[in-house]
Amino acid sequence: IVLTQSPATLSLSPGERATLSCRASQSVGSFLVWYQQKPGQAPRLLIYDASNRATGIPARFSGSGSGTDFTLTISSLEPEDFAVYYCQQRSNWPLTFGGGTKVEIK
Amino acid sequence: QVQLVQSGAEVKKPGASVKVSCKASGYTFTNYGITWVRQAPGQGLEWMGWITAHNGYTKYAQRLQGRVTMTTDTSTTTAYMELRSLRSDDTAVYYCARDGSDTAAAGNLDYWGQGTLVTVSS
Repeated sequence: IVLTQSPATLSLSPGERATLSCRASQSVGSFLVWYQQKPGQAPRLLIYDASNRATGIPARFSGSGSGTDFTLTISSLEPEDFAVYYCQQRSNWPLTFGGGTKVEIK
Repeated sequence: QVQLVQSGAEVKKPGASVKVSCKASGYTFTNYGITWVRQAPGQGLEWMGWITAHNGYTKYAQRLQGRVTMTTDTSTTTAYMELRSLRSDDTAVYYCARDGSDTAAAGNLDYWGQGTLVTVSS
């Protein structure tokens, strides 16, 4: 299953809303996961099964969607949110990741 | 607290093998699986495979089949990933991550190791 993330880069200012898209080449149901990765660090689980926030993840992060179209929304960007975001499907083997969206400071 | 601590950086020549370890602590090792993910320099994440800690059942990425072996040692709560016949395009940071213990639960990678840089160069 191929996951396509858009846009590749999102240039926003702190306080703005970020909307990231992940589209699957076939239905993955709700088995879609989102990670955040900062330079030099391991990825961090944000959202699992499309809309469930992982432990300790702030409420400004939310996930939605099902089937083939998914969205990660950051309601109001904090300075620490500028990073790369990856989606990953766990509906079918092999697990696959999207190419990532970089959220950069405008 | 849950921790996954990986072995240190490696430099290998083409054709050699590398074995990366991932020491788990802070949870019941046999109740979970371990997934391995790699990331080439400046690139995205690539799933390599998954192993269940309690019985060693594995699933591997097809493109690595035959070159990769994942194992666990429940006595030391350590997972291992061995990659053979190394090529220059295997140069990457290799991560282990805690995962579900069965196929229904697999794919939510909730804790990650710090990563191990493997450099393949002649």
